[in-house]
Amino acid sequence: AQSVAQPEDQVNVAEGNPLTVKCTYSVSGNPYLFWYVQYPNRGLQFLLKYITGDNLVKGSYGFEAEFNKSQTSFHLKKPSALVSDSALYFCAVRDYGNNRLAFGKGNQVVVIP
Amino acid sequence: NAGVTQTPKFQVLKTGQSMTLQCAQDMNHEYMSWYRQDPGMGLRLIHYSVGAGITDQGEVPNGYNVSRSTTEDFPLRLLSAAPSQTSVYFCASRTTGGVRGDTQYFGPGTRLTVL
Repeated sequence: AQSVAQPEDQVNVAEGNPLTVKCTYSVSGNPYLFWYVQYPNRGLQFLLKYITGDNLVKGSYGFEAEFNKSQTSFHLKKPSALVSDSALYFCAVRDYGNNRLAFGKGNQVVVIP
Repeated sequence: NAGVTQTPKFQVLKTGQSMTLQCAQDMNHEYMSWYRQDPGMGLRLIHYSVGAGITDQGEVPNGYNVSRSTTEDFPLRLLSAAPSQTSVYFCASRTTGGVRGDTQYFGPGTRLTVL
């Protein structure tokens, strides 16, 4: 069964510092990997995805993520965090050919001014 | 396009009551799904549909029914509400193929409280 682990409940970072949100996954085949962000009292918004090709994926709002097959990881990164990046971030994975998308528990990111 | 819409935004039920959460999308997406979000548990899949007339169970289907009579609509029915169903419910949709096929779009959510 496909699954996602987001090991940290909360990530605190000072504004202007690099932000990293960790994600590891488990699938039986080739993975489709996604990052979503949720602002308070809102639905989930798509940030970026890895399907195939270049391991470094660039997405919305200056975020990027690196697919590492040997470490089964897909960490989300941003070079310089903004206070407005404070939100809940979800990593998700799907096997090719599988309709179900499995989500991690989410990481609360707090950017300190 | 309105995207994925959900109604109501908030709902309070008494134990044993039934209700239907509405979900609609105007993107002609084949795939639709329902999730519930609980603190510390992420999103868990309740039911999903790959097209009109086709539905299947997700991780936590007990206590919920769905149907898909049209491409646009995918209502979620609570047959007899229980306090354990207090949660935030999200509907989502995506196409099932192509370059855009894998991006799932979410509705704004319905916050349900069962007393």
